[in-house]
Amino acid sequence: AQSVSQHNHHVILSEAASLELGCNYSYGGTVNLFWYVQYPGQHLQLLLKYFSGDPLVKGIKGFEAEFIKSKFSFNLRKPSVQWSDTAEYFCAVNDGYSTLTFGKGTMLLVSP
Amino acid sequence: GAVVSQHPSRVICKSGTSVKIECRSLDFQATTMFWYRQFPKKSLMLMATSNEGSKATYEQGVEKDKFLINHASLTLSTLTVTSAHPEDSSFYICSARDGGTESSPLHFGNGTRLTVT
Repeated sequence: AQSVSQHNHHVILSEAASLELGCNYSYGGTVNLFWYVQYPGQHLQLLLKYFSGDPLVKGIKGFEAEFIKSKFSFNLRKPSVQWSDTAEYFCAVNDGYSTLTFGKGTMLLVSP
Repeated sequence: GAVVSQHPSRVICKSGTSVKIECRSLDFQATTMFWYRQFPKKSLMLMATSNEGSKATYEQGVEKDKFLINHASLTLSTLTVTSAHPEDSSFYICSARDGGTESSPLHFGNGTRLTVT
């Protein structure tokens, strides 16, 4: 069975700091990888996704993620966070056929 | 920790029948639950927001009469796919908010794979 591990449950950063949220998955086959974000008071939104091709994926709002197959990782990064990035971030994986597996989420708080 | 239980995990039904999917918050009360749908190789799409004791809020393009949502208690929301057709085959997932504020944590069920034959 697939599993997704997000390393940090809570992250607190100051504005302009760099962000990296860890995500590791356990599945030996071909995977689709996603990062979702939920801003306070809003529903889940797709931040970026990886299906195939360039392992460095660029998403909305300046976010990017790198798929490293050998490490089973798909870490999310942003060079300089803003207060408006305060949200909960979810990593998710599926093989395109079975259920989507989510990590437990990381709450990011950016202080102005 | 908080757990959201979604049942069934997989269901196969015949065209024209109805299927009910349950989403339960096991150790917290959920005033708001969300229902999503995912097509193969595509991201989640929010279908509706379910609020306990009131009517669900559906996203544009989602048929209210086809996807019936009921949130009768603080721990249970159900999605009923009525008169299912093969194009309704998809992966459905619910999430529940643990707490009454907008910044309360969001927990996901493990999803339901619906196949309509």
